[in-house]
Amino acid sequence: GQQVMQIPQYQHVQEGEDFTTYCNSSTTLSNIQWYKQRPGGHPVFLIQLVKSGEVKKQKRLTFQFGEAKKNSSLHITATQTTDVGTYFCAGPLNTGTASKLTFGTGTRLQVTL
Amino acid sequence: GAGVSQSPSNKVTEKGKDVELRCDPISGHTALYWYRQRLGQGLEFLIYFQGNSAPDKSGLPSDRFSAERTGESVSTLTIQRTQQEDSAVYLCASSGLPGGPVEQFFGPGTRLTVL
Repeated sequence: GQQVMQIPQYQHVQEGEDFTTYCNSSTTLSNIQWYKQRPGGHPVFLIQLVKSGEVKKQKRLTFQFGEAKKNSSLHITATQTTDVGTYFCAGPLNTGTASKLTFGTGTRLQVTL
Repeated sequence: GAGVSQSPSNKVTEKGKDVELRCDPISGHTALYWYRQRLGQGLEFLIYFQGNSAPDKSGLPSDRFSAERTGESVSTLTIQRTQQEDSAVYLCASSGLPGGPVEQFFGPGTRLTVL
């Protein structure tokens, strides 16, 4: 079936190192969203990308949507302990007559001093 | 209210009992989702309501799980004859205010523990 996969599942970095998570869809997406879930919290929306090849930045975070609109990446420069959490991508996958937002498998980031 | 609310925040029940979880979405949101999240795991889709369309129940793990939504307001997720494997955080999210943001807004979740 239609899926949204992310790699890696888990990454442990030292503060100051960079981090990247990759999101891959089995089908073309009209848009891609990214969410962050802090430990013990609920997912919170970060950003949405719509255009092929689009790149958006939020401070140390860089989001990219692939040219084919089937993959996306989130890159964090110089990680901080506040970046700890699980990062999910999500895209609308068609389910018959409806378009359902489907979440990726998530990448859990651990940052230590 | 200002956000999505869920109740109860915590529920401890005995195996075999029924439980009912409630979600109050943001007013005017047409879409409502239920997810299950086991400890350290990702979001497991359960059910999706969109306006007056028939709900997408493809994620419900068994016939012990059911959900209802009253119009475009409150939703309840019912788990009958609970099992220990049902222990998880159940998250509700809503989205789709016409002309508004497209992202999902999540509630704080209900932590269900089945003893």
